[in-house]
Amino acid sequence: GQNIDQPTEMTATEGAIVQINCTYQTSGFNGLFWYQQHAGEAPTFLSYNVLDGLEEKGRFSSFLSRSKGYSYLLLKELQMKDSASYLCAVYHFSGGYNKLIFGAGTRLAVHP
Amino acid sequence: DADVTQTPRNRITKTGKRIMLECSQTKGHDRMYWYRQDPGLGLRLIYYSFDVKDINKGEISDGYSVSRQAQAKFSLSLESAIPNQTALYFCATSDHDRGYSNQPQHFGDGTRLSIL
Repeated sequence: GQNIDQPTEMTATEGAIVQINCTYQTSGFNGLFWYQQHAGEAPTFLSYNVLDGLEEKGRFSSFLSRSKGYSYLLLKELQMKDSASYLCAVYHFSGGYNKLIFGAGTRLAVHP
Repeated sequence: DADVTQTPRNRITKTGKRIMLECSQTKGHDRMYWYRQDPGLGLRLIYYSFDVKDINKGEISDGYSVSRQAQAKFSLSLESAIPNQTALYFCATSDHDRGYSNQPQHFGDGTRLSIL
């Protein structure tokens, strides 16, 4: 079966750096996405990794190690508006199609 | 205007009623999806469609049906609603994957459904 684990909640201080981890067990791995979701709103796409290494996009970076089944999302220079849930989602190939499996999300609270 | 539009945004109804949730998109994407989100469980796939003539069950399709009326429209029906179908429902779209580049899914604003 497929399994994705990420911490339920994290807190951090404005201006600081926070790392949100995601571990997964899946067959037919075909890429990993990170999404941001503010309370009551739609998830929005942040980053995508399919090869090992770090992808940087402004204040946000995402890392993938396929051999370890591990990814992290790094948020720098935290702002209050970064308070949201962060969803790790794994693409796996099954039944002839790529399917996206979501973790339960990590709720991040940024404090002044 | 939103690229992925869901109607209604909120709905309260009674057990046993038939309900239809609508989704339309202006992104020109072939692929459309319906998810439900419950606290602590994350997003779970109900149905997906890769083009107008393609309908596939997701991990939790029991009690639901879908219709892909056109490339831009994908509706979700609950034939006889029950309280444990109370959840936040999201429609999403994506472009087709290109080689090793998997395309992200783009979500509508969601429909909050409560079944009493």
